[in-house]
Amino acid sequence: DTGVSQDPRHKITKRGQNVTFRCDPISEHNRLYWYRQTLGQGPEFLTYFQNEAQLEKSRLLSDRFSAERPKGSFSTLEIQRTEQGDSAMYLCASSAGLGYGYTFGSGTRLTVV
Amino acid sequence: EDQVTQSPEALRLQEGESSSLNCSYTVSGLRGLFWYRQDPGKGPEFLFTLYSAGEEKEKERLKATLTKKESFLHITAPKPEDSATYLCAVQAADKLIFGTGTRLQVFP
Repeated sequence: DTGVSQDPRHKITKRGQNVTFRCDPISEHNRLYWYRQTLGQGPEFLTYFQNEAQLEKSRLLSDRFSAERPKGSFSTLEIQRTEQGDSAMYLCASSAGLGYGYTFGSGTRLTVV
Repeated sequence: EDQVTQSPEALRLQEGESSSLNCSYTVSGLRGLFWYRQDPGKGPEFLFTLYSAGEEKEKERLKATLTKKESFLHITAPKPEDSATYLCAVQAADKLIFGTGTRLQVFP
């Protein structure tokens, strides 16, 4: 296993369009996290899964955002009706459990024009 | 409220000039303090985890220390390849809360 994979690396979309990102975590990690990072800021928590259960969502995650992790494997993050304020790097991370370090993917950079 | 503050925001060092980065935190029940390195356009790369006051960890030119209120990342004799943003995070409940990072530039 080579780490956490995210696809695509870059996405440019027009305002109002829907986009979906994919994350493949390290296979033996049962926790999967989504973060958002804007320029000059640290990553901000969006949501996390333990296996297939979504256990916490940040108030940053408006109803236009939805995340899934079917069968506790890969995860998808969908943004509906994108806005310019959604432009950011979306990072996925996985972890073996509470207190363990996160392994991050390289991120998906979203630009909404 | 759980919070992480990093200083300075940016740091320019000459190659070989040692310095320290600061991370101060407030968290209810620290379950771990993490240091990450992030290069432009990439995801954060794990460096260290510290769990209790007095703990220290080292890796090459980097040394991380932890007190009850803050952590320091000491960089000894840095090289240009150490240029990156260094992020500090605390484990709060079930997630990591990050600071805004220190952008380090080391020039020859």
